[in-house]
Amino acid sequence: EVQLVESGGGLVQPGGSLRLSCAASGFTFSSSWMSWVRQAPGKGLEWVANTQPDGSEKYYVDSVKGRFTISRDNAKNSLYLQMDSLRVEDTAVYYCARAGDFDFWGQGTLVTVSS
Amino acid sequence: DVVMTQSPLSLPVTLGQPASISCRSSQSLVHSDGNTYLNWFHQRPGQSPRRLIYKVSNRDSGVPDRFSGSGSGTDFTLRISRVEAEDVGTYYCMQGTHWPPVTFGPGTKVEIK
Repeated sequence: EVQLVESGGGLVQPGGSLRLSCAASGFTFSSSWMSWVRQAPGKGLEWVANTQPDGSEKYYVDSVKGRFTISRDNAKNSLYLQMDSLRVEDTAVYYCARAGDFDFWGQGTLVTVSS
Repeated sequence: DVVMTQSPLSLPVTLGQPASISCRSSQSLVHSDGNTYLNWFHQRPGQSPRRLIYKVSNRDSGVPDRFSGSGSGTDFTLRISRVEAEDVGTYYCMQGTHWPPVTFGPGTKVEIK
């Protein structure tokens, strides 16, 4: 059974940092492109970032470039999102998903940026 | 960036009746490899999105056959032949042809009349 389990969300002040994690199982993680997708409260889905299977190529939506860093540890079947210089508008549920196909999604972790 | 639009944004439906959602892209979604990377997702309140349809018309495993996808180029449609109560929620189209960025439509909220 495929599982993607996110963790690391929480309340953070504007300008602060947070690191999200996603633990993967049930598929060949090391061969899969992976993504982070977010959803602000009551809003639609927004793709945030992708990373290639070996982690060498990374892509970001313009609004997070220079602030967020996607990374992965294939030995631990884990995906990460380091979020720095957080803004109020980054408040959202963050999902990890298998990119390309977007066939597998986690349950999401809520990030709230507020003073 | 490819802009995805959907209509309607709200769709009241009667149980047992058909329903249809349109998705349009600002440019053709035909990839240079010949595939069209247009997916449909369903999201129930409080849940993660679930992929229903991939590459325009391929139904995912476990998706009821009352769901079908069609279209080409810039115009796509998701059809539900007979709406059931479990079909309520929001439906999103998504393009993965021209990325980055991957882009989603704004969503269509389906509710029972």
